Formats: sequence, C-alpha cells, structure tokens
Amino acid sequence: GAGVSQSPSNKVTEKGKDVELRCDPISGHTALYWYRQSLGQGLEFLIYFQGNSAPDKSGLPSDRFSAERTGGSVSTLTIQRTQQEDSAVYLCASSRRAGVTNTGELFFGEGSRLTVL
Amino acid sequence: AQTVTQSQPEMSVQEAETVTLSCTYDTSESDYYLFWYKQPPSRQMILVIRQEAYKQQNATENRFSVNFQKAAKSFSLKISDSQLGDAAMYFCAYRRNFGNEKLTFGTGTRLTIIP
Repeated sequence: GAGVSQSPSNKVTEKGKDVELRCDPISGHTALYWYRQSLGQGLEFLIYFQGNSAPDKSGLPSDRFSAERTGGSVSTLTIQRTQQEDSAVYLCASSRRAGVTNTGELFFGEGSRLTVL
Repeated sequence: AQTVTQSQPEMSVQEAETVTLSCTYDTSESDYYLFWYKQPPSRQMILVIRQEAYKQQNATENRFSVNFQKAAKSFSLKISDSQLGDAAMYFCAYRRNFGNEKLTFGTGTRLTIIP
C-alpha cells in the first residue's frame, strides 16, 4: 500500500484479556519495527523484523508480549493477559532493505491506541 | 548503548519567528544517521529532516535546517518563519548505519506556536 497501515486505530479492553494489533508495512519494505509510546512519553523500541525473522526483540517488556511476521509482510503484535500499564499507543514502522539505496528513514503508521480498563 | 537526549520538554515561539530545538546523543560509532521527526496530534510520525554523519554539510529542507556538530555530538533543529502548522512534538533520533537497525529516540520537545 501507499503507507504503513495499522489496525485497530483504537482498542479498549479489560484487564486480563488478550489483544492483537496488526501492521501492514509499505509494499517492498523488508524491515518492520514496533514501538510503544506511553502518554506524553517518547518512543520505546519493542521489536524489529528483517523479513520474517526478528534479529532484535530486546525491547519486549515481558513474556506477555510477542510478535510475528508472515510472508515478509503483515505483522501482528500480541499482548496476553493485558495490564493497565500496557495502555499506550503502539506504533509500527517499516523501511527498505539494507544495501539498496537506503536513506535510513523509517516510515510510520498512525498507531493503535490501546486502553486497558 | 546509544542514547539521545532532548533537554527541552517544551518550547514556544511567536509565529514567523525562529526557534531552535536541541538534541545531543552518545555513540562510539562513526557511521550513523540522525533524524528529526514531527508528531502532530494525529499521532503519525513524519520525517522532517535527515543527516548522514559522514556529511559535513548541514542538511536543509525549506524552513528547516540542522546544526550538526559531530565532535560535540550535537544535532539541533532550527525552524525559520514558524507557522501554526509547525505545532507538534518533535523527536530527535539516532540510527547506526548497519543493516536495518532500530531508531533510538529522544524524549521529545513539545513546540507551541503563538499566533
């Protein structure tokens, strides 16, 4: 697609429920990133995919968080047994394959706002 | 680990005036990128300007320019002729030029434009 697409735009859930957030990157972008932005805060790195593998998942805050990417395209971030501190905006970004003319820029989606009651 | 510091949580500027946002970073690498992203209330991060570390010339994009001081590890953003549409959160970010590594962001500066 023309840009990075994320869904849902907003999600309200009850504490203890599982949620899935979806990211559809720009066509042809092989690298995909998930960030978390808590209210009024900066961006916290969660995980990065190159193709379908995740060379860097160092930012996942706990084992309740997991992510996968299939077909080198769409990615899903899953949060199990949600807690109130998981409330945040989850941003996805993509970029071109390293080695091609790579400006280093990440292209971001509009994010998914998660509210855990 | 690389860190990015933005020491100004909030800034304000009169419309049509010039404002400078500060950013410092810490790295032992010599080859990297630096970025300024803008985040309006719509939440989407928008690239404002980019600087390659190997380039000595400061990047410029219309009303936006940077002052890149590699030795001092400083990367400030100057916005000239400020407009109401410039009001947003501004984030400074660093990325090592190796593969597709992540961006490391500062904590942001909220810029308010006074009409």
